[in-house]
Amino acid sequence: AQSVTQLGSHVSVSEGALVLLRCNYSSSVPPYLFWYVQYPNQGLQLLLKYTTGATLVKGINGFEAEFKKSETSFHLTKPSAHMSDAAEYFCAVSMTGGTASKLTFGTGTRLQVTL
Amino acid sequence: DGGITQSPKYLFRKEGQNVTLSCEQNLNHDAMYWYRQDPGQGLRLIYYSQIVNDFQKGDIAEGYSVSREKKESFPLTVTSAQKNPTAFYLCASRLAASNEQFFGPGTRLTVL
Repeated sequence: AQSVTQLGSHVSVSEGALVLLRCNYSSSVPPYLFWYVQYPNQGLQLLLKYTTGATLVKGINGFEAEFKKSETSFHLTKPSAHMSDAAEYFCAVSMTGGTASKLTFGTGTRLQVTL
Repeated sequence: DGGITQSPKYLFRKEGQNVTLSCEQNLNHDAMYWYRQDPGQGLRLIYYSQIVNDFQKGDIAEGYSVSREKKESFPLTVTSAQKNPTAFYLCASRLAASNEQFFGPGTRLTVL
């Protein structure tokens, strides 16, 4: 079984400030981890993913995330927020070794960026 | 352009009616998925299909049905047995050799 916990359903930051969105996972096998972004009334777009190898993963739009096995975490960061980053962000996990690659999603974090 | 299309964008139905949501992909992806999104609950898997003419139930399949007669199409029917069908429905697809799912733009279903 696998699960994802996203701490904070709403996060507000000032433009130019650090963005930190938290994600913790539970998985019985080594996980694949993903961050997706969703703008209002749109589908999901992949920001970045961790499968194997380097634990610091860089994605699109200046975002990055670090896989920390000891903390079962995969927090998303961006050094300097931009107004266009305002959206909802979802962390997801899938199990390695499976053929279906089913994703289990967290409940999402809505990021607000203020002037 | 390659991608996933979902139609219509908005759909209104009366309670007790079945309704079918369309999902088409021209990415030549093997697997396709249907998710339901409700405010504050993230996305939940309804059904998925890894190959043509085969599909499996996800976590919340009750009240839904699917078919996979063609590789590029995976329609979802919301039946009258679904107790609370009003939601945002997202379709996704994946190449067999990859673990990344690509999402369509979604259909917002409102049952009146």
